[in-house]
Amino acid sequence: EVQLVESGGGLVQPGGSLELSCVPSGLTVTSNYMSWVRQAPGRGLEWVSVISSGGTTYYADSVKGRFTISRDKPENTLYLQMNSLRAEDTAVYYCARGQTVIRDLYYFYYLDVWGKGTTVTVSS
Amino acid sequence: DIVMTQSPDSLAVSLGERATISCKSSQSVLYNSNNKNYLAWYQQKPGQPPRLLINWASTRESGVPDRFSGSGSGTDFTLTISSLQAEDVAVYFCHQYYDTPPTFGQGTKLEIK
Repeated sequence: EVQLVESGGGLVQPGGSLELSCVPSGLTVTSNYMSWVRQAPGRGLEWVSVISSGGTTYYADSVKGRFTISRDKPENTLYLQMNSLRAEDTAVYYCARGQTVIRDLYYFYYLDVWGKGTTVTVSS
Repeated sequence: DIVMTQSPDSLAVSLGERATISCKSSQSVLYNSNNKNYLAWYQQKPGQPPRLLINWASTRESGVPDRFSGSGSGTDFTLTISSLQAEDVAVYFCHQYYDTPPTFGQGTKLEIK
């Protein structure tokens, strides 16, 4: 059974930094599209970032330039480095696997496996 | 970005009755060349992560009870629970993966009447 376990969340002051980790079992991060999705308290789901199996990265406009998604092959771990944090970044952050489909030579994906999430609170 | 709008925001249904949730996209998520709708439905129970129920608008994931069904095409989609069970209390989200960035509906909270 594929599982994802996130860690690294916590309380951080505005302008601070935090690095989230996602460790999978049953899959290899470098062979999959891996994504971060967040959910603010009492709110809906917001896609944050994805890294393709080839290493290409994409970001939501709301985090572009502040967040960096990466992965470590030997550690088989996905990361999300979050800098210049704002109050509006407060959320549960989920790691999820993207199940890819090809259309017109581009890859698209739905999210078929999710971790339990890690909570990030940005507050002074 | 494609905007996904669900209705209603909340819904109360009696046990054993039918529950219907609507999802509309601001542009079509149907790819005509393969006749597939790039639309998924997720269930999120309190304190849990989302769980994928349906992809391609109508294909149930393995292990999902057959009382859950998805329908629709283009811009209008429906998630139906044919006979509501107590364990179906959750928030349901639709999700389009037709375009980047992927986007979600705001969620529909389903409760027991």
